[in-house]
Amino acid sequence: AQSVTQLDSQVPVFEEAPVELRCNYSSSVSVYLFWYVQYPNQGLQLLLKYLSGSTLVKGINGFEAEFNKSQTSFHLRKPSVHISDTAEYFCAVTSYSSASKIIFGSGTRLSIRP
Amino acid sequence: GAVVSQHPSRVICKSGTSVKIECRSLDFQATTMFWYRQFPKQSLMLMATSNEGSKATYEQGVEKDKFLINHASLTLSTLTVTSAHPEDSSFYICSAQQGTYGYTFGSGTRLTVV
Repeated sequence: AQSVTQLDSQVPVFEEAPVELRCNYSSSVSVYLFWYVQYPNQGLQLLLKYLSGSTLVKGINGFEAEFNKSQTSFHLRKPSVHISDTAEYFCAVTSYSSASKIIFGSGTRLSIRP
Repeated sequence: GAVVSQHPSRVICKSGTSVKIECRSLDFQATTMFWYRQFPKQSLMLMATSNEGSKATYEQGVEKDKFLINHASLTLSTLTVTSAHPEDSSFYICSAQQGTYGYTFGSGTRLTVV
C-alpha cells in the first residue's frame, strides 16, 4: 500500500516570491506521482506527473517538481508566484500494484499575499 | 485535451430522497472511473472504483447500498445517493482513467441534504 504526506497544511507567500510545497510518499514498490491543483468548488487539474525518466518534471503554470527516490519526496516548486496561484494543492501517488487507485495527500493551501 | 463532464454541479434534496450524479468522458473512452468524496477543507477520499460492465469495487467503510454506482458504458458512470441524509452532504468528484496513468477529473457536485 502507498501513502502520501503533505507536511504543510498552509503556505502563505508574497507575490513574486518563490514557493516550495512539500510532499513525501511511502511505498514498497515503484510509484507514480502527481500534483493537482483545486480552485474553490471545482474539480482537480493536473499540474504535472512523474511516471519515469527524468526526475525533474515540468508542468503547467510554471510549476516543476523533482522526484527524489532516496528521500522519498516529490516537492513542488515555482520560482515566482502570482495571485492566481492561490488554491489548494494535492500530491498524489499510485503504483502498478494498486489497481490504478490514486491516493491523495491531505492538501496544502497556498495563499498569495500582494 | 481529455474532458470529463460531471452533472449536476449543485443539488439540494430533501432527506430521504435519492440523488443521481453523472460523470461522462466527452472525448475518450474510460474503462475505469473513480468516485471521491471531499469534506470541507479536507482531501479527497476514494469511495469506489467503477469498471465498465462490472460491479464497482467499494473502499472499506463505504456503504454500497447507499452509494449505488453504475458504469453501463465506456463514457458514463453514475453515482446514486439513496435515501440521502444530512450527513451525506458533501462534495463528490469523479475521475476517469485514460491510458495507463492518465486521470481526468470532473468539476464536482456539491450535494446538500436538508
